[in-house]
Amino acid sequence: GAGVSQSPRYKVAKRGQDVALRCDPISGHVSLFWYQQALGQGPEFLTYFQNEAQLDKSGLPSDRFFAERPEGSVSTLKIQRTQQEDSAVYLCASRNREYNEQFFGPGTRLTVL
Amino acid sequence: AQSVTQPDIHITVSEGASLELRCNYSYGATPYLFWYVQSPGQGLQLLLKYFSGDTLVQGIKGFEAEFKRSQSSFNLRKPSVHWSDAAEYFCAVGAMDSSYKLIFGSGTRLLVRP
Repeated sequence: GAGVSQSPRYKVAKRGQDVALRCDPISGHVSLFWYQQALGQGPEFLTYFQNEAQLDKSGLPSDRFFAERPEGSVSTLKIQRTQQEDSAVYLCASRNREYNEQFFGPGTRLTVL
Repeated sequence: AQSVTQPDIHITVSEGASLELRCNYSYGATPYLFWYVQSPGQGLQLLLKYFSGDTLVQGIKGFEAEFKRSQSSFNLRKPSVHWSDAAEYFCAVGAMDSSYKLIFGSGTRLLVRP
């Protein structure tokens, strides 16, 4: 069966460019999460959607980060005016109900030069 | 605030030897606990989870973990390691808010000697 997919898998951006990262969750999964994983670190929470509603964005590091999920399925994480410190792997996960596991995508590795 | 500590950054074991990866969490009530494995270039795969009940949890690939409330620990074990187990292992706790987002430790990299 299809798992969580993310695109692109790799993205190189020049400092100051805007980027958009896409996540396709498992069909029917209500909850969607974005995490940021810096090199050598564990993933850190960025934001959470339940259907199309963004219920928690407490982990977004600055107002340059924006996420949306307009139809309650595909989600996009946008980073404006990228900085070198934004270089990381961005992981998307989906979950079908509260007391259950999150299924992770392969991630998008963002490198900002 | 909830947090997870994995005190070992790297662990090296010989193939066929037993393995124990340590995880400590900080949280007052009964937490939701998870172990994930990440291979190079791969996403995170769930090995096992603990929500309640029996404190010894069996997972995939021959892994098990034991929840010890008195020690705030959820250590991962495997009786005999295979070369394919070489990867990064993350312990995580589910946040006790409406999202149940995951709070991860910093990971333990497992190296397997032939």
